[in-house]
Amino acid sequence: AAGVIQSPRHLIKEKRETATLKCYPIPRHDTVYWYQQGPGQDPQFLISFYEKMQSDKGSIPDRFSAQQFSDYHSELNMSSLELGDSALYFCASSLSGGNTIYFGEGSWLTVV
Amino acid sequence: AQSVTQLGSHVSVSEGTPVLLRCNYSSSVPPYLFWYVQYPNQGLQLLLKYTSAATLVKGINGFEAEFKKSETSFHLTKPSAHMSDAAEYFCAVSEDRGSTLGRLYFGRGTQLTVWP
Repeated sequence: AAGVIQSPRHLIKEKRETATLKCYPIPRHDTVYWYQQGPGQDPQFLISFYEKMQSDKGSIPDRFSAQQFSDYHSELNMSSLELGDSALYFCASSLSGGNTIYFGEGSWLTVV
Repeated sequence: AQSVTQLGSHVSVSEGTPVLLRCNYSSSVPPYLFWYVQYPNQGLQLLLKYTSAATLVKGINGFEAEFKKSETSFHLTKPSAHMSDAAEYFCAVSEDRGSTLGRLYFGRGTQLTVWP
């Protein structure tokens, strides 16, 4: 079965640079969630989209933005990167009316 | 507001002995409860979920969990640990927001070590 696809899997950026992470949800899933997991920490919710509209917002820095496109894929844009942004970024998806949230393998971002 | 508390950041067991990972939640509405497992440098894999259908839930790899509303608990158990069970386990709670599932609130995680 198709899963949540994230790209790139690994990314190295310098401070103050910009990074973009992409997420392709499971086919027919209309809701996408973004999470950030720092080293040794639990995943922290950033933002979610349902039917291309922002549905919830968590602890996402103002330097970050995200959107969901007409094909339901989503992108997380991160600007003015800081060392503290180094983390594993997860995308997850669910289907409206469903009861399960599925995660991708994550994108490792290292800021140097 | 919703929150999850996982008692014990580290649990160590011997291979072949039972596993018990504790999870307590707080939720203002009937919750959806999940256990996810994360192997080193990998993503989050769904172990099992509670969605009000049955209080005893069976998941993959021989794990199961029991929803106890009176204790607001959703502890994860396995009768006999295997070396391959060594991983980080996260309990999470969500709520039905009508059209879609709300965000997941995660516990701090429990690192399970299995000794030979």
